[in-house]
Amino acid sequence: QVQLQQSGAELAKPGSSVKISCKASGYTFTSYYISWIKQTTGQGLEYIGYINTGSGGTNYNEKFKGKATLTVDKSSSTAFMQLSSLTPDDSAVYYCATFKGDAWGQGASVTVSS
Amino acid sequence: DIQMTQSPSLLSASVGDRVTINCKASQNINKYLNWYQQKLGEAPKLLIYNTNNLQTGIPSRFSGSGSGTDYTLTISSLQPEDFGTYFCFQHNSWPGTFGGGTKLELK
Repeated sequence: QVQLQQSGAELAKPGSSVKISCKASGYTFTSYYISWIKQTTGQGLEYIGYINTGSGGTNYNEKFKGKATLTVDKSSSTAFMQLSSLTPDDSAVYYCATFKGDAWGQGASVTVSS
Repeated sequence: DIQMTQSPSLLSASVGDRVTINCKASQNINKYLNWYQQKLGEAPKLLIYNTNNLQTGIPSRFSGSGSGTDYTLTISSLQPEDFGTYFCFQHNSWPGTFGGGTKLELK
């Protein structure tokens, strides 16, 4: 079955960057786009954007342009999201999911603190 | 962005109860509405897609309905494993947006 395995928790300093991975298994990687979603207690769930796993084409929520960069490595069936210029507002759990939303990674916690 | 307003935000119910959760969009979303269940410490799980389509493996006590701006998730007979938080999500307009969530707790 479709499985998405995300990288572990990150503790980062303000102004730095982190890169979260999402390794897919159980299906042909390029069959499904991958979405990324942010979850915080205060703002709830926010849709960051998605990547076409075949072409690498991306579509970002305007709010996350310049903050998130989505890429893929087809050779390893892995999608990545880099978050740059981190601030405490970027502290959240970040999920990858298939575009339909029928499979999600377990989430990756990012904490931004000095 | 389309605003999704869920109600109630907190729902107390007992095993066996019929419960409904509502989601109202700020504009017509043409039935492109999904429902998710999330338990503490876990990722959301897709229950219903496109208003009334039951995701594979989801029990038939879950159902969805609605059109235009108003949508409903119904659980016909609440089971102990159904407690958690429920979210709606519209994918008619970019970017997709989520409701604020309904926490379903044991009465």
